[in-house]
Amino acid sequence: KAGVTQTPRYLIKTRGQQVTLSCSPISGHRSVSWYQQTPGQGLQFLFEYFSETQRNKGNFPGRFSGRQFSNSRSEMNVSTLELGDSALYLCASSGYGTDNSPLHFGNGTRLTVT
Amino acid sequence: DQQVKQNSPSLSVQEGRISILNCDYTNSMFDYFLWYKKYPAEGPTFLISISSIKDKNEDGRFTVFLNKSAKHLSLHIVPSQPGDSAVYFCAASPRQGGATNKLIFGTGTLLAVQP
Repeated sequence: KAGVTQTPRYLIKTRGQQVTLSCSPISGHRSVSWYQQTPGQGLQFLFEYFSETQRNKGNFPGRFSGRQFSNSRSEMNVSTLELGDSALYLCASSGYGTDNSPLHFGNGTRLTVT
Repeated sequence: DQQVKQNSPSLSVQEGRISILNCDYTNSMFDYFLWYKKYPAEGPTFLISISSIKDKNEDGRFTVFLNKSAKHLSLHIVPSQPGDSAVYFCAASPRQGGATNKLIFGTGTLLAVQP
């Protein structure tokens, strides 16, 4: 099985712009989550989607949004970029709802805001 | 408020010996715990997990122990190999009572296995 695929791997954007990141989960996985990793804050939960519905959200401003499509692929969008949004953005997928199936992560999108 | 803590930022171990990585948590609602390994420029790789109904889970060289009363878990790697050198993250999830895969991560421990 192919793993979680994230595109693009690297992005450089200017402050004030907006960006869209894409994630394709492992085939058959219906749950997709997004995390932000920074040196100062570590790995922090952004949001989680299951069957096209957001079912959990972390403590991030409304500039961070996401969606999931009927094929379980997901996108996250960050509007009005700030310098502090520079981070590694990780997508993870999981098999089912509440069973103990672990999250499997992609290799991330490295976003640099200048 | 750091709900999942890994108090050792780094650990150095000789090849062939045991590596013990520790993790403490504060939220009694956590009922599912995982360990991930991460290399630079890659996403975290799942290693092993444990449900709160167990106190031990083994998978090859990796064993996770859970002490619910102490809110403490540990990962044992035996024998340690140079390829195990990476950052190890402990993560916890409050799956009980809700349908979520949300994970709370610790800050990581950098393991260096010396040949």
